[in-house]
Amino acid sequence: DGGITQSPKYLFRKEGQNVTLSCEQNLNHDAMYWYRQDPGQGLRLIYYSQIVNDFQKGDIAEGYSVSREKKESFPLTVTSAQKNPTAFYLCASSPDRGLAGDEQFFGPGTRLTVL
Amino acid sequence: GESVGLHLPTLSVQEGDNSIINCAYSNSASDYFIWYKQESGKGPQFIIDIRSNMDKRQGQRVTVLLNKTVKHLSLQIAATQPGDSAVYFCAGDSSYKLIFGSGTRLLVRP
Repeated sequence: DGGITQSPKYLFRKEGQNVTLSCEQNLNHDAMYWYRQDPGQGLRLIYYSQIVNDFQKGDIAEGYSVSREKKESFPLTVTSAQKNPTAFYLCASSPDRGLAGDEQFFGPGTRLTVL
Repeated sequence: GESVGLHLPTLSVQEGDNSIINCAYSNSASDYFIWYKQESGKGPQFIIDIRSNMDKRQGQRVTVLLNKTVKHLSLQIAATQPGDSAVYFCAGDSSYKLIFGSGTRLLVRP
């Protein structure tokens, strides 16, 4: 079964703790993305990676970090510097380095709640 | 900056009627547009896409119209069904990224 998996589906953390969200894809896609979604809002880009060992900041990168050591994996760390981390986090991937004109395939999302 | 926006946050339609969801974009250089459907608590799912060299594309029960002159995009759903209830997002490409609109919630009345 090809696709994108995100784990866990629900995550609870105490304020001040770093937390890492997992994203794995077996689609052999070059590009991967992390988005944040708040209630009633659209998707905002946090980070993206067009190729292994390279990534770029999106529109709201502050308080987040990523790595892309393997093609199939793009974990996102929500650090304690992120002022309002409670949100729904979506991972996506696309083929061909995300060149213009590429559909993005989304995972099921992780809902992070910081208490 | 670049933006993609939807005209109505909520659209309510009678089951069996046609639905039209509208979207406007600001980037004249956008070459590719895509519509996603998102059900509650799930990731967005691809519905249909269109490239800037086309003005209409049809899928199964869905049609996307692109008017580059006024930078407007619409999604038409024929014979709307209860399973079509969801939030619909349009997105346009911009430098290796997609810019998403804020979404329209489609409610289907029985």
